[in-house]
Amino acid sequence: DGGITQSPKYLFRKEGQNVTLSCEQNLNHDAMYWYRQDPGQGLRLIYYSQIVNDFQKGDIAEGYSVSREKKESFPLTVTSAQKNPTAFYLCASSHEGAGMNTEAFFGQGTRLTVV
Amino acid sequence: AQSVTQPDIHITVSEGASLELRCNYSYGATPYLFWYVQSPGQGLQLLLKYFSGDTLVQGIKGFEAEFKRSQSSFNLRKPSVHWSDAAEYFCAVRTDSWGKLQFGAGTQVVVTP
Repeated sequence: DGGITQSPKYLFRKEGQNVTLSCEQNLNHDAMYWYRQDPGQGLRLIYYSQIVNDFQKGDIAEGYSVSREKKESFPLTVTSAQKNPTAFYLCASSHEGAGMNTEAFFGQGTRLTVV
Repeated sequence: AQSVTQPDIHITVSEGASLELRCNYSYGATPYLFWYVQSPGQGLQLLLKYFSGDTLVQGIKGFEAEFKRSQSSFNLRKPSVHWSDAAEYFCAVRTDSWGKLQFGAGTQVVVTP
């Protein structure tokens, strides 16, 4: 089945540690996104990528990094510079263009907790 | 700048009653609008979308939404809610041709017996 797979589902980070969240899609979508979700704030865009080897900062990129070495994969690293990383992280992908089949599809999310 | 407002943070509705969730957007061009639903600890599932044509759109799970350009609104409705409709609902507008989304803060729906 086509879809987006995020792993792990739960992740615990110690202070000062970098952690990487995985996102893989087999929908053949060009664009991929990382969103952060906090209670009462909806989803906020961290980074996005429209083609391989290229990505742009979203609204809250500080303390995060990404790579896009393959079309299918868009991992997110939460660095020690991110002072409040505890949140629910969602990966999404979509086709470019106009018309019917341009909605974003979402993974099941990764809950990151600082311990 | 684009923005999406969901005025109701929390709504409680009785099972079998009707439900309406409000969404107002600010966007310069003709918007692509979406409603997503999220169960606790899960990802987002698309309920319905609007990008052109008929302003009343039908979605999954018995939901519908009406686009009103004059009011910059895209309200979600369901005639009779089921206990399984308890979830968080997000309205979103697409802000570029690639699918980048601006979300509202969400509305939590609680269904009582």
